[in-house]
Amino acid sequence: ELKVEQNPLFLSMQEGKNYTIYCNYSTTSDRLYWYRQDPGKSLESLFVLLSNGAVKQEGRLMASLDTKARLSTLHITAAVHDLSATYFCAVDMMNTDKLIFGTGTRLQVFP
Amino acid sequence: NAGVTQTPKFQVLKTGQSMTLQCAQDMNHNSMYWYRQDPGMGLRLIYYSASEGTTDKGEVPNGYNVSRLNKREFSLRLESAAPSQTSVYFCASTVGGENEKLFFGSGTQLSVL
Repeated sequence: ELKVEQNPLFLSMQEGKNYTIYCNYSTTSDRLYWYRQDPGKSLESLFVLLSNGAVKQEGRLMASLDTKARLSTLHITAAVHDLSATYFCAVDMMNTDKLIFGTGTRLQVFP
Repeated sequence: NAGVTQTPKFQVLKTGQSMTLQCAQDMNHNSMYWYRQDPGMGLRLIYYSASEGTTDKGEVPNGYNVSRLNKREFSLRLESAAPSQTSVYFCASTVGGENEKLFFGSGTQLSVL
């Protein structure tokens, strides 16, 4: 059974600092997704990573995928308050349409 | 373009009551999903439907039933609601294929007393 773990679960960081969120998963998969959720809102897609070594960047966020290590990272560069949200990774089970989510990382950026 | 529409947005039930959560998408997507979100638990997959006419269990299917009525609509039914089913429910859909990011509805906040 596919397990998806994120760490940290909660991250409080100062504006301007860099940090990385980690997403580990337990079985083979070749697709990984990152989503953002603002409080009381629905989820918004950030990145789709489809192959080993894939790297995607948008603004201050960069996501990467290492399928051999079953690990994805979401790197935050020079954080700003607008990035405060909960970030989820999700992994697609091979040969199915099941998409399993991690527990989420709640990010707070303070001045 | 409405995307994924869920109804109702809020619902309060008494233990043992039944209800159906409705979901419809207008993007001609093949796959549809129901998730529940609880504090500290992330999103857990209840049921999904890879195509019209098919449904499969997810991580937490007990206490729920689903119907893929047609390509647009995927409903979730609670036959006898329990307090443990108090949660926020999200419907999602995707076209399928390699770039199959999910599009989410706005959620249904359900309280079972």
